[in-house]
Amino acid sequence: QKEVEQNSGPLSVPEGAIASLNCTYSDRGSQSFFWYRQYSGKSPELIMSIYSNGDKEDGRFTAQLNKASQYVSLLIRDSQPSDSATYLCAVKSDYKLSFGAGTTVTVRA
Amino acid sequence: SAVISQKPSRDICQRGTSLTIQCQVDSQVTMMFWYRQQPGQSLTLIATANQGSEATYESGFVIDKFPISRPNLTFSTLTVSNMSPEDSSIYLCSVAPASANTEAFFGQGTRLTVV
Repeated sequence: QKEVEQNSGPLSVPEGAIASLNCTYSDRGSQSFFWYRQYSGKSPELIMSIYSNGDKEDGRFTAQLNKASQYVSLLIRDSQPSDSATYLCAVKSDYKLSFGAGTTVTVRA
Repeated sequence: SAVISQKPSRDICQRGTSLTIQCQVDSQVTMMFWYRQQPGQSLTLIATANQGSEATYESGFVIDKFPISRPNLTFSTLTVSNMSPEDSSIYLCSVAPASANTEAFFGQGTRLTVV
């Protein structure tokens, strides 16, 4: 499977702060990029998808993609305790998803 | 998004036995995948379930250990055969249309413990 690397965690942020998650990938032919959130004991839940270079905003989440640098990131603004979870970066190549190891985020009240 | 029903949600099995996990989708989907998530780790793709043909396995996974069926466009099964404690993991079914720019969605997962 293709390599997907995420910044190591865990990441602890105070409530209301910005959480910044980073991801790099090895396959230049990758077509689509996703961020999933996984609560403990639950299956991954899609929160963002991005397909072209630039920024994509959805509520408090912003995904950024730079294909030249093979880099994708996720910003969580105004972090809430309910954002405490593991965030998985996923990259699609040849219709298959490869996942990073995940970054665990803890939002301190 | 598709609604995916996966069962059983959890099971405790004796070593040497086999468990079949079912994945049912509420609509026809082109691609169905099976993943494994070992404790504290990320998701690893086991295989792509192909309708009407043999599954395509990833490196490190073989059909004898993880036989897969896909009789139609809404249903698939994964069997974990001759289980050992190292097979204790969460197994996840995922579906996605074939188009590159589409999301994949996951079933609730099956938490398997082998004793």
